[in-house]
Amino acid sequence: DTEVTQTPKHLVMGMTNKKSLKCEQHMGHRAMYWYKQKAKKPPELMFVYSYEKLSINESVPSRFSPECPNSSLLNLHLHALQPEDSALYLCASSRVGTDSYNEQFFGPGTRLTVL
Amino acid sequence: DQQVKQNSPSLSVQEGRISILNCDYTNSMFDYFLWYKKYPAEGPTFLISISSIKDKNEDGRFTVFLNKSAKHLSLHIVPSQPGDSAVYFCAASAGNSGYSTLTFGKGTMLLVSP
Repeated sequence: DTEVTQTPKHLVMGMTNKKSLKCEQHMGHRAMYWYKQKAKKPPELMFVYSYEKLSINESVPSRFSPECPNSSLLNLHLHALQPEDSALYLCASSRVGTDSYNEQFFGPGTRLTVL
Repeated sequence: DQQVKQNSPSLSVQEGRISILNCDYTNSMFDYFLWYKKYPAEGPTFLISISSIKDKNEDGRFTVFLNKSAKHLSLHIVPSQPGDSAVYFCAASAGNSGYSTLTFGKGTMLLVSP
């Protein structure tokens, strides 16, 4: 299984809502990533988890709260978002190792619209 | 300041011809470079990569060339096929912290016409 799955595919939420994005992989990867991609822009890294521990937080506002409950799952909890947070949210995973570079495998993304 | 630059937003090529996508970078610490392909409504798909210790890597119709002195890499697709029409992102990584952190270019939209 070389797939990263993300649910939901589309999400529309109000600024007072609380919602969660989910990501799952069964490739045995121990690094997982959240990216945000706006239209006509490259993906921008938000968070990195390595061995289920948060390793990188790229100064993301606290209204985005990541969670890695186990090695296969990655969640992104959303609360009090702003319309400018509307974007495609991509999850990725990779192996962790020092002997060679480890490519990231991406999911299809969740298209988020904040009203 | 953008550390990875793809200066051509789009490229149109006829089927069967060569497609050349270019990428420039500014960070001398980058030691691994990747190309990803992205269709609309899908996540990026890994295509091909190259380590900074090499100057060429080939995989089927895809070849990536790296010119370290010029801080430039290019992706050649030969022959181009209509199914290659997609957005191509150049990405780079610095160091090896065990996991990878990628810096992406803005992407080049390739259109291959029959």
